[in-house]
Parts: sequence; structure tokens; C-alpha cells
Amino acid sequence: DTAVSQTPKYLVTQMGNDKSIKCEQNLGHDTMYWYKQDSKKFLKIMFSYNNKELIINETVPNRFSPKSPDKAHLNLHINSLELGDSAVYFCASSQDEVQQETQYFGPGTRLLVL
Amino acid sequence: GDSVTQMEGPVTLSEEAFLTINCTYTATGYPSLFWYVQYPGEGLQLLLKATKADDKGSNKGFEATYRKETTSFHLEKGSVQVSDSAVYFCALVSGGYQKVTFGTGTKLQVIP
Repeated sequence: DTAVSQTPKYLVTQMGNDKSIKCEQNLGHDTMYWYKQDSKKFLKIMFSYNNKELIINETVPNRFSPKSPDKAHLNLHINSLELGDSAVYFCASSQDEVQQETQYFGPGTRLLVL
Repeated sequence: GDSVTQMEGPVTLSEEAFLTINCTYTATGYPSLFWYVQYPGEGLQLLLKATKADDKGSNKGFEATYRKETTSFHLEKGSVQVSDSAVYFCALVSGGYQKVTFGTGTKLQVIP
């Protein structure tokens, strides 16, 4: 069974479009995250939710809006896509938000904006 | 703010060579330290971690010791294999909340 899954795996779209990426975890974890990995492999946190409540919101354009319908799901909606949004987006989860906890990552969604 | 500095890659080693990937950090308080590994085309997965000073994390032959006096968490393996080829990320979490700060990653290539 996949612990953290993301769909789609690949996403190719035109500038200006709106798209969503879905994430689900079946680990029973309370906390979920979205990360962006650029072409140089640099990884940066975007958002974090704990029990459906936003707890980390880094400096991310407001075109990016996370939605957590329940604690097993954290979706990422992106409006008006730009070329610079091209990256790999990773979802992750952890048991809770304390600092010792391991994060479990999904396989990533490779977004290419043309 | 918190930061993690890793040695730049790529690192190319022959099979059975000794591996060291340096990692130093700056953080407020007492962070937890992690090494994550990313195999080609996959997400990150935890390799090992240490949550307090002098702790040693170990897994799959890899080791790292939390050194508070030198603010370091260097990754070592005595004999690398081709299957260890991946990108290795040093990371820290401090301040209670799970806001992870990652290093820039070090690509390791092991050749037969």
C-alpha cells in the first residue's frame, strides 16, 4: 500500500491555466505538507496543515491555495500558472508537528508550464 | 534564521570507497537533525536522524553524529555501493513546529 500518494505524477500545461494536485496519506498522520523542488534540487516548504488547520504558510504567491478536506488529504490548487511554477511538488506527512517526527514523502508531481 | 550548509556535489566514488558528506547548521535552540535520501525519480525518504547532542543516527551502513560543539551532522559510510547513488539532503527542524530547513542536496554517484 502506498503511504503518501500524489496525482497526477506529471502535469504539462499552458501559462495562465489553473490546475490542482491531489495528495492523500493512509498513515493516519495528523500533519501534511507541500514542498517545491526546483531544477537545482533545492527543496522549500510551502505549506503545512495539522488536523486540517494551516500552521505554516511560507512566502508563497497567493495564486497557490492549499485545501484540506480532511486530515488524510491536502490538495494544492494553482491559479494563473506561470513559467516559474515549473518544478517538482512533493507532498509529505508526519505523525504530528513536533520537531522530532520523521516526514514521509510522496513520489512528487512534475509540473511543466509552457 | 535557520540554515543548513552541505558540501557541493556531485561526488563520484568507486564502489567500496569511503563516503563523507559534510553538513553544518545554524539554528536557534536545539534542533533535530535528519538525513534524507532521494533516489532518481522518487520522493525523499528518511535515511537517519538524531534528536539531541551526541546522538548517533544509523541506517543501512550510513552513520551521522549530532555534534553540537561544531554544529555538524556529517554523513559517513564505510563502503558505498552502486545502489547508494542518489541525492542526499541534510535537514533540521527547530522551534517545535515541523518547519524543515533543507540543505541544497549532494548528489552521489558510485561507479562500479
